Amino acid sequence: IAGITQAPTSQILAAGRRMTLRCTQDMRHNAMYWYRQDLGLGLRLIHYSNTAGTTGKGEVPDGYSVSRANTDDFPLTLASAVPSQTSVYFCASSDSRDFGTDTQYFGPGTRLTVL
Amino acid sequence: GQNIDQPTEMTATEGAIVQINCTYQTSGFNGLFWYQQHAGEAPTFLSYNVLDGLEEKGRFSSFLSRSKGYSYLLLKELQMKDSASYLCVSTDSNYQLIWGAGTKLIIKP
Repeated sequence: IAGITQAPTSQILAAGRRMTLRCTQDMRHNAMYWYRQDLGLGLRLIHYSNTAGTTGKGEVPDGYSVSRANTDDFPLTLASAVPSQTSVYFCASSDSRDFGTDTQYFGPGTRLTVL
Repeated sequence: GQNIDQPTEMTATEGAIVQINCTYQTSGFNGLFWYQQHAGEAPTFLSYNVLDGLEEKGRFSSFLSRSKGYSYLLLKELQMKDSASYLCVSTDSNYQLIWGAGTKLIIKP
């Protein structure tokens, strides 16, 4: 059982380029999330999806978009990367639509550097 | 506003006991999580408290006082592998998670 996989593991990207971070889970969880983690700050929610076909904005959605075409996949796209998007990105999933009360399972993360 | 406060860093000795405190201000509080995160890795779930009191799970225990907006994570019989960051996470009335910045725990032999 893989759980949640993310790709790529790390990436260096020129500013202005478009980038899609991939996330796939095999646990058939309803809810999925994208977070960014920056030094000295708590995890910040970018976008989430309570179920396939629906998405919502988190705390820091600007500059990012997501889609949820099926249960397993939840890609995050940076349309035009900027240096402030340099961060570690974590994808997570949980088995609840009321995601605040259910354990979240995290992928290994993608370390993104925008130059 | 909504806020989580926890110490930035703590140091403890192998075999000892350490308590990591967390205070929160969360509107419509709906529970509190603790996650562990080793350096360079993803967070992993440790505990969830929604009622007042102590929940014990092996070497780890988590306590919650809703009236005081306070929680702690107690780690006993510390092992070197417990060196990690410990993230306090509260849940608000909309079931949104508010993540603390984490407490980096350093275990010395």
